[in-house]
Amino acid sequence: GEDVEQSLFLSVREGDSSVINCTYTDSSSTYLYWYKQEPGAGLQLLTYIFSNMDMKQDQRLTVLLNKKDKHLSLRIADTQTGDSAIYFCADLGGGADGLTFGKGTHLIIQP
Amino acid sequence: EAGVAQSPRYKIIEKRQSVAFWCNPISGHATLYWYQQILGQGPKLLIQFQNNGVVDDSQLPKDRFSAERLKGVDSTLKIQPAKLEDSAVYLCASSPTRDSSEAFFGQGTRLTVV
Repeated sequence: GEDVEQSLFLSVREGDSSVINCTYTDSSSTYLYWYKQEPGAGLQLLTYIFSNMDMKQDQRLTVLLNKKDKHLSLRIADTQTGDSAIYFCADLGGGADGLTFGKGTHLIIQP
Repeated sequence: EAGVAQSPRYKIIEKRQSVAFWCNPISGHATLYWYQQILGQGPKLLIQFQNNGVVDDSQLPKDRFSAERLKGVDSTLKIQPAKLEDSAVYLCASSPTRDSSEAFFGQGTRLTVV
């Protein structure tokens, strides 16, 4: 089946940029997503990118997509303590049969 | 705009008991999803509805799990009988259409089976 892979942890200093990486296997993905999950909360859609785009910027968030390598990244500029959460990469396959999620990356902010 | 509503937020049951979860999607959203998120993992799709019809239930353990969306709005997910490995957060999500770019999630129901 389709698969989405992420590293489990990322630790950054407050004020630095965070870059969270993701790889996926579905070559027919139409949309790719980044969701944020804080403790005890549901999933919050942060941003998404259509598969024919290379980059999308939204305030402090920059999404880069390398479709050839099936690699997606999320850059958070000027990381703050409020950014501490689990970040999930997900893709919507060509069959549009729900999202396939990675296991999530725990973003840890050091003071 | 009201978000996706789920209840209850928390449920603790003994193994072999039954449990039901309820979801009210965003008004007007035709597509509704149920996901299971086991601790330390990403959400896994259980079932997808388009209005009141099932689009995909290939990952739903049908011997114990069932779901319905009779009037194409609210949905219930039932587990009968529950097993210890069913302990997870059950997330409901909705989107305007099946191929919509955005799916909105509820806060989830945390189920603990003891």
